[in-house]
Formats: sequence, C-alpha cells, structure tokens
Amino acid sequence: NAGVTQTPKFQVLKTGQSMTLQCAQDMNHEYMSWYRQDPGMGLRLIHYSVGAGITDQGEVPNGYNVSRSTTEDFPLRLLSAAPSQTSVYFCASSRLSSGGQETQYFGPGTRLLVL
Amino acid sequence: ILNVEQSPQSLHVQEGDSTNFTCSFPSSNFYALHWYRWETAKSPEALFVMTLNGDEKKKGRISATLNTKEGYSYLYIKGSQPEDSATYLCALDTGRRALTFGSGTRLQVQP
Repeated sequence: NAGVTQTPKFQVLKTGQSMTLQCAQDMNHEYMSWYRQDPGMGLRLIHYSVGAGITDQGEVPNGYNVSRSTTEDFPLRLLSAAPSQTSVYFCASSRLSSGGQETQYFGPGTRLLVL
Repeated sequence: ILNVEQSPQSLHVQEGDSTNFTCSFPSSNFYALHWYRWETAKSPEALFVMTLNGDEKKKGRISATLNTKEGYSYLYIKGSQPEDSATYLCALDTGRRALTFGSGTRLQVQP
C-alpha cells in the first residue's frame, strides 16, 4: 500500500493563479480531508468528505474548492491564489466507524508559496 | 468552533526525564480523542484513539489517559529520549465527521 499520496511536494504560484493539489489513498477509506498548517496555529480543517459525492466545509474553506468523484481521490483547488494561502497542506484519510472516525493517516504534505 | 487546548506549548527536558502534557476539551462534545506525534518535516502519525472515560493506552514508553467527564487527556512519556523530540497533537472527534486539532505541545529532549 502506498497509503496517502500528495502531489506536488512543493509549488510556487503568483497571486491570482489557480492550481489543484492532488491527494489519493489506496486504503479504501471513506473519509478524506484537507488541512493547512501555519506556524503557531496547528492543523486547521479546510474541507472534508465522508464518501464519493459528499463534501463539506471545515474551519477555513474560503478560497478553496473540493470534489470527490471517486473513493480514492480528493483534489483541492485554489481558485485564485493569494499570499495568505502560503502554507503547508496535508491530506488525510480514515475509516469511519458507527459514530466517528478511526485513526487518520496523513500524506507527506504540499508546501505552497504564493508570491 | 470547538476549543481544544494543549499545554504547555513547548517543553525542554533532559534525556531520561519523564514528562507529561495535557489536552483539554469541552466535555459535552465528545466521541473520541486522538493523539498524534509529528516530527519536523514529516507527517503526523497516530499514537492513540481513546473513546472511553478512564481509558488508558500504552505504546512503549508513551501512555495516555482520558477523563471525559472533566474534559481532559494526559500524555506521558517515561524516560524521554532524543528521538521523542516532536510536536504532540491531540484532536477531538465529536462524531460530526471532522476532527478539531489543538495547537500541539512541542517537546525537545536534550541528550
């Protein structure tokens, strides 16, 4: 198993550009999520999905779109990049139990710099 | 927005010291409490998922306890080693399909 994979590892964008961060998992997990990590702020949830075709907003969704057309993939789209979106982005997945989540598995992260 | 608080923010200990830190959460919103270990330049890795009041979990020299009634969890490291240096994150699962993370406790173990 590759686990959770993310591409690219590092990206530089100019303000106003758009791009898609890719995330894939091969563990057949129902739940997938995107976090951003900023100094002193821990991990903040951007969007999440509990299955194909179902997505919902997290704590900081503005400026980001997601879709979940398959169980395996959960891409994150930046519509018009802003310097405030400079961050490290982590994708994670987990199984869902009857009430909540089991252990989350994290991808290696994508470091994004917006100039 | 849920408030998951971790203390202390950072901790410096000597090799061989035992240490502990705290995760506090609103006790009325609880399904499970997760602990993760996060080394610099790596991804967070799961340590424990705790669901029952009074739960105690152990992995090697690391253990955790949970008090859901008063809304806290302790993480203990016995005989700290330099390789234990990392940020330790807790996250609250309210069963609403999203984890809320604390900002972490950064542990540095001096050889």
